[in-house]
Amino acid sequence: DGGITQSPKYLFRKEGQNVTLSCEQNLNHDAMYWYRQDPGQGLRLIYYSQIVNDFQKGDIAEGYSVSREKKESFPLTVTSAQKNPTAFYLCASSLQGIASGNTIYFGEGSWLTVV
Amino acid sequence: KNQVEQSPQSLIILEGKNCTLQCNYTVSPFSNLRWYKQDTGRGPVSLTIMTFSENTKSNGRYTATLDADTKQSSLHITASQLSDSASYICVVSFILTGGGNKLTFGTGTQLKVEL
Repeated sequence: DGGITQSPKYLFRKEGQNVTLSCEQNLNHDAMYWYRQDPGQGLRLIYYSQIVNDFQKGDIAEGYSVSREKKESFPLTVTSAQKNPTAFYLCASSLQGIASGNTIYFGEGSWLTVV
Repeated sequence: KNQVEQSPQSLIILEGKNCTLQCNYTVSPFSNLRWYKQDTGRGPVSLTIMTFSENTKSNGRYTATLDADTKQSSLHITASQLSDSASYICVVSFILTGGGNKLTFGTGTQLKVEL
């Protein structure tokens, strides 16, 4: 099946620990994105990548890091510098950048909880 | 400030009834408007995308309208089903200075369809 696969679905992080969320797509899309969703708030952009080996900070990049070594993969690392990481994280992709008519496809999300 | 406001915040309707969700935005310059359906704990799924020149677009029992002059959009759901219970998110794309687009997400309308 074509689509976006996020793993793990549920993840628990201890204080001071880095964790990495996986995102893989087999849609042959150039652009990939990471969003964070908190209750009562709209999705907020963490990082995005429009092409392999290139990525840009979004609105809330502090405490996060990404890499884009392969077209189909865009992992997100939540570092210990992120003081409030508990949230629902969504990976997305689109054929090209966010332009008119480009559908953005989302993965099923990953829940991260600090314990 | 670019903003997207949705109303109502939540809505309960009986199965088989119709409903209309509202989206007002202050995003400028406007590029396109999208409606997504998000089941609890899952990733959003695209329903419609409309550009400036489109007034209405349908996807099955979902019909979206756009009035770019008043900066308002609505999502009409016909003959609701229990499976329509979800959060419906309005997303507006605006054009960045220097090129490219950026998405602004609403906080969603939580719809519950009951027997």
